[in-house]
Amino acid sequence: EVQLVESGGVVVQPGGSLRISCAASGFKFGDYTMHWVRQAPGKTLEWISLISWDGDSTYYADSVKGRFIISRNNNRDSLYLQMNSLRTEDTALYYCTKDDRGGLRAWAFDIWGRGTMVTVSS
Amino acid sequence: DIQLTQSPSFRSASVGDRVTITCRASQDISNYLAWYQQKPGTAPKLLIYAASTLQSGVPSRFSGGGSGTEFTLTISSLQPEDFATYYCQQFKSYPRRLTFGGGTKVQIK
Repeated sequence: EVQLVESGGVVVQPGGSLRISCAASGFKFGDYTMHWVRQAPGKTLEWISLISWDGDSTYYADSVKGRFIISRNNNRDSLYLQMNSLRTEDTALYYCTKDDRGGLRAWAFDIWGRGTMVTVSS
Repeated sequence: DIQLTQSPSFRSASVGDRVTITCRASQDISNYLAWYQQKPGTAPKLLIYAASTLQSGVPSRFSGGGSGTEFTLTISSLQPEDFATYYCQQFKSYPRRLTFGGGTKVQIK
């Protein structure tokens, strides 16, 4: 079964740091570009970051650029998001998701994890 | 950035109704549009990609249309399991700024 499982979400103080993870299974992880998408409570979805299948290319939304770092370990079938200088507005459910095809071009995100909740609060 | 505007934000409907949701892009995105369904407490589920291609396993009562700046998602005969929030997403600007629409909640009348 194709699966993505996020972990690591906790309550953290403003200005703090946190790393969340996503474990992939059921597909050839190293062939696919991966993404993080977040959803604040009661809000729409927000794409925040992409990493290419080989890890050589990364992109970020303006809202997190310079604070968040996406990375991956293809030997461990894992995706990560290092979150620094956290703000209250970063409070959200963070989803890991994958492109619907290999390479660096997609038509959709076809598999999503269940998300991990990050709460930034003092 | 490419902005996506969905309408309506809320739609009340009954089982068996035909429901159409619209997604308008701030610039031409060709057919680089996907639709997702999200039920409370669950992850989004891909319904349609390339504006009109049905994802494998999705019931045929769902259909997508449009190109350029105006797109539609239609449910031909609403079923109880279709009450959910629907989002559009553009892939024209891939790999950057892959924006979503604001969502349309389909609720029971």
